[in-house]
Formats: sequence, C-alpha cells, structure tokens
Amino acid sequence: GESVGLHLPTLSVQEGDNSIINCAYSNSASDYFIWYKQESGKGPQFIIDIRSNMDKRQGQRVTVLLNKTVKHLSLQIAATQPGDSAVYFCAENRSFQKLVFGTGTRLLVSP
Amino acid sequence: SQTIHQWPATLVQPVGSPLSLECTVEGTSNPNLYWYRQAAGRGLQLLFYSVGIGQISSEVPQNLSASRPQDRQFILSSKKLLLSDSGFYLCAWEKGTAGANVLTFGAGSRLTVL
Repeated sequence: GESVGLHLPTLSVQEGDNSIINCAYSNSASDYFIWYKQESGKGPQFIIDIRSNMDKRQGQRVTVLLNKTVKHLSLQIAATQPGDSAVYFCAENRSFQKLVFGTGTRLLVSP
Repeated sequence: SQTIHQWPATLVQPVGSPLSLECTVEGTSNPNLYWYRQAAGRGLQLLFYSVGIGQISSEVPQNLSASRPQDRQFILSSKKLLLSDSGFYLCAWEKGTAGANVLTFGAGSRLTVL
C-alpha cells in the first residue's frame, strides 16, 4: 500500500500518562479490526481486536474504541510504561479478505 | 498451540547472490500464509500470500518469488538479490477458515544486501 513508504508518526508521552493512538481505516465494509504492537527487531504481536458490532472493548490496560460513522479506530493505553515503547499498527479485515495495515505509530515513553 | 518459525533470523548477502527464507507453522492445518517486507522505520508491505499448497498470489511485482511446497511451509526466494531487497521480512499465518481471523507473525528475518 501507499503507506509503506512513509516515515512513521511519533507519539511521545511521559511514564504514567495515558496514551491514545489513532487510526483511520478506509473500507466501510471492514468488520474486524486488530491492533498490533511491534517492538524493535521483532514481529508484530497481537494486542486486542474488536468486531464491527461493538464500539468499545477493554483488555488489560488497553481499550480499543471503534467509530464506524467516521471510520476511526483508537487504542488507549492506561498508565503507559517504558515497556510500551514500540510501533503500533491498526489493521482492518473482512471475511476472506487480506488484512490491511495502517501506517503505524511509534510510541516513545519517557521515564 | 500453534507456533510459527522463521529462519535465518539474520542474513547478509552480496548483490547478485540467491536468497532463500523459510517459514514453517506448527499446530494447525490449511493455514493462509503471508510474506511481508518492512523497510527500516516503515510500515508493512504485503509481498505474497497463499491459501494452499502451490497457490501463490503476488501483491507487488519484484525480484522475489514465493513457494509453498507443503501445507505448513512457505519459502521466499530470489535468484539474484538487489540492494533494494534489504529489509525485515515477516512471515505470518492465519486460520484458513470462514470469518476474519487474527494474523500471527513470526519473529522476522533481517536481510542486508551489500
């Protein structure tokens, strides 16, 4: 996709703050969304997912919000820790379709 | 439980040399398999995906090819590497069943072409 050539946007936060990472998706027919975390030199790891029949889902310290009206997805990380520093990707999917990844956001957490 | 293995983890190759990266999945059958490339500080670029043995779909015309000789084996190859082939290569799998599924990634193979 076009986003693969772009430098990643960066979000810098202080340890203990809440982080909000945003993602705009493109396909109004997408019915499944995933957030991945990628630490330096490693493959992306699944964080949390949400289906289109929901607008909010919570995990441990993470919350995903889905606004289908404006095709927007966000990942909220509570009490951000240095170990949360990574690149975060959103992805959208439909049944039998390939996963489409967003540009990615680099999260930097300062102690 | 399912696991995905990629190797080698790191590779330094001269321009014009061949390439073979291997990916295997354990603990599942009939997975969909993917190869992605990621340049430094960039997003994920889908290169190839496969829904079954011998079935390969290419997303981007390039110097690379993929093969799936066995159900849980996916290989990325090149006959002659270019400098631009340098990057972080990620293999991934998902259940090959109806419904949208989570894509699970391997640890990646870092290729440097000199």
